[in-house]
Amino acid sequence: AQSVTQPDIHITVSEGASLELRCNYSYGATPYLFWYVQSPGQGLQLLLKYFSGDTLVQGIKGFEAEFKRSQSSFNLRKPSVHWSDAAEYFCAVVFGSGNTGKLIFGQGTTLQVKP
Amino acid sequence: DTAVSQTPKYLVTQMGNDKSIKCEQNLGHDTMYWYKQDSKKFLKIMFSYNNKELIINETVPNRFSPKSPDKAHLNLHINSLELGDSAVYFCASSLQGKANEKLFFGSGTQLSVL
Repeated sequence: AQSVTQPDIHITVSEGASLELRCNYSYGATPYLFWYVQSPGQGLQLLLKYFSGDTLVQGIKGFEAEFKRSQSSFNLRKPSVHWSDAAEYFCAVVFGSGNTGKLIFGQGTTLQVKP
Repeated sequence: DTAVSQTPKYLVTQMGNDKSIKCEQNLGHDTMYWYKQDSKKFLKIMFSYNNKELIINETVPNRFSPKSPDKAHLNLHINSLELGDSAVYFCASSLQGKANEKLFFGSGTQLSVL
């Protein structure tokens, strides 16, 4: 079955600490991978995406993600977390073709930042 | 200017009522979507329209009826509301409706059915 798994439902980190949010996907996924962020009371905003080329992609707000085909993973990282990063983070993956496929979201990871 | 705007932001209603949520995008995109986010934060697509034509219709009760008067607007009408309809509904748009395109989301409508 097509699925996107974010193993960590909730993560708490201290401000200034590094962050890694995990994302794994099932067989059949295309190499079209996304991370979205949802701030409280807001819609989702695209952080970054991977389509091809360098497997380490840079996004907005200092985030980066690494595509590892062998591990079916697309983990999101940030070297130093800011209090404003507290939000819900969603990984999303296209299954099928890039044009006509289906975008599947993971269940999200809630990030809490301690002062 | 807000790119994708939806109204109302909050909607509290009784079971059995009929309600509508409106969505408008000023990005010139061809495709608009409705997503449902349940209490566990799962985000699932309900419908998509491309230039007023229904493209995606996931397994959604026929009490939900989307309507797109033009490509900048996609409204969602829900008949005979049930408790299980309580969720946050997001409108979104993308340029051409390809699966690998960036989605632009509205800020959501929190629907509470009592």
